[in-house]
Amino acid sequence: GAVVSQHPSRVICKSGTSVKIECRSLDFQATTMFWYRQFPKQSLMLMATSNEGSKATYEQGVEKDKFLINHASLTLSTLTVTSAHPEDSSFYICSASAQGQETQYFGPGTRLLVL
Amino acid sequence: AQSVTQPDIHITVSEGASLELRCNYSYGATPYLFWYVQSPGQGLQLLLKYFSGDTLVQGIKGFEAEFKRSQSSFNLRKPSVHWSDAAEYFCAYTGNQFYFGTGTSLTVIP
Repeated sequence: GAVVSQHPSRVICKSGTSVKIECRSLDFQATTMFWYRQFPKQSLMLMATSNEGSKATYEQGVEKDKFLINHASLTLSTLTVTSAHPEDSSFYICSASAQGQETQYFGPGTRLLVL
Repeated sequence: AQSVTQPDIHITVSEGASLELRCNYSYGATPYLFWYVQSPGQGLQLLLKYFSGDTLVQGIKGFEAEFKRSQSSFNLRKPSVHWSDAAEYFCAYTGNQFYFGTGTSLTVIP
């Protein structure tokens, strides 16, 4: 149980284009989903927290107009990197938790490369 | 300030040897504590968690961790390491948000 998937697993795009990453909870209802960014050989950096049906809460320093997060259902959240630039290249990981639960279950991550 | 510290950036052990990965947290109350493992290019897999009760918790893959309030520690242990355990290990806890340690990279030599 508690499986989280992400799609795509890796994506290469041209600078200036937008990329959408999907995060799905497959066997539970994820009232809260989290988006993280991980640089090589570093820990995870929380970008934003989203609750189903509400606007996402962004961490300090994260541009909400650049990283658009939608959590329209209890099983799906999307992260759209708008007008991506090479510095946005990174490993993006989502996680999900059920209502009232502290445990976060993580997706396998999405490797984004912006050329 | 709330934080979680993993003092060892990298550890190398021989296959079959015992393992202990250290984790210390800074938080006023007893937090919820977690250990996650990340294989290269993969997401994080939950190994175990501590919320309350017995301070020695058992996890998957033969791992266990012990919560010691007096030392603000939650060290991860395994009695006999397998080559497949080579990965990055993250300690985490929730206070008012989820905090991750910086990770410990484990190398297993034959």
